[in-house]
Amino acid sequence: EVQLVESGGGLVQPGRSLKLSCVASGFTFSNYGMNWIRQAPGKGLEWVAYISSGSSYIYYAETVKGRFTISRDNAKNTLYLQMTSLRSEDTALYYCARRVNTGYFDYWGQGVMVTVSS
Amino acid sequence: EIVLTQSPTTMTASPGEKVTITCRASSSVSYMHWYQQKPGASPKPWIYETSKLASGVPDRFSGSGSGTSYSLTINNMEAEDAATYYCQQWNYPYTFGAGTKLELK
Repeated sequence: EVQLVESGGGLVQPGRSLKLSCVASGFTFSNYGMNWIRQAPGKGLEWVAYISSGSSYIYYAETVKGRFTISRDNAKNTLYLQMTSLRSEDTALYYCARRVNTGYFDYWGQGVMVTVSS
Repeated sequence: EIVLTQSPTTMTASPGEKVTITCRASSSVSYMHWYQQKPGASPKPWIYETSKLASGVPDRFSGSGSGTSYSLTINNMEAEDAATYYCQQWNYPYTFGAGTKLELK
């Protein structure tokens, strides 16, 4: 059974940093591109970042470019999102999601909440 | 960036009714994907590559479209179909529609 389990969220002050993790199981993690997608409270879905299976290709949404860094450790089956210079508008539930070839997110984690507030 | 415009934003449907949700893209895309989300839950893959049903999706759902216009259709609305549906296109940066909240009448 495919599972994606996020962790690392919490309450953080504006301007500070936070690192999210997503542990994958039930599939060969190193074969798939992975993504972070977020959802602000009561709002829709926003794609945040993508990393290819071997980390060769990395893409970011303009809203986080230069502040967030996506990475992965295939030996640990773990996806990361390092978030710096956090803003109130980064407050959201952050999901990790597996991507298949046509850009479709076929498995999602349960999400981890990040709240940016003083 | 490709902007996806979903319509309607909200709608209600009675059991047995036919429902159509539309997603229009600001530029032509090759595929459209759809997700279903219920309150407090993660989005679920629902329709991929425009018309293919994800595992476990009832066959009263269908997807169609091409270019800049895509749709999700439910034949014979059931109570369990009440949810928010999002479309998503596959060109970078990936973008989602704002969602259509479907309620049971």
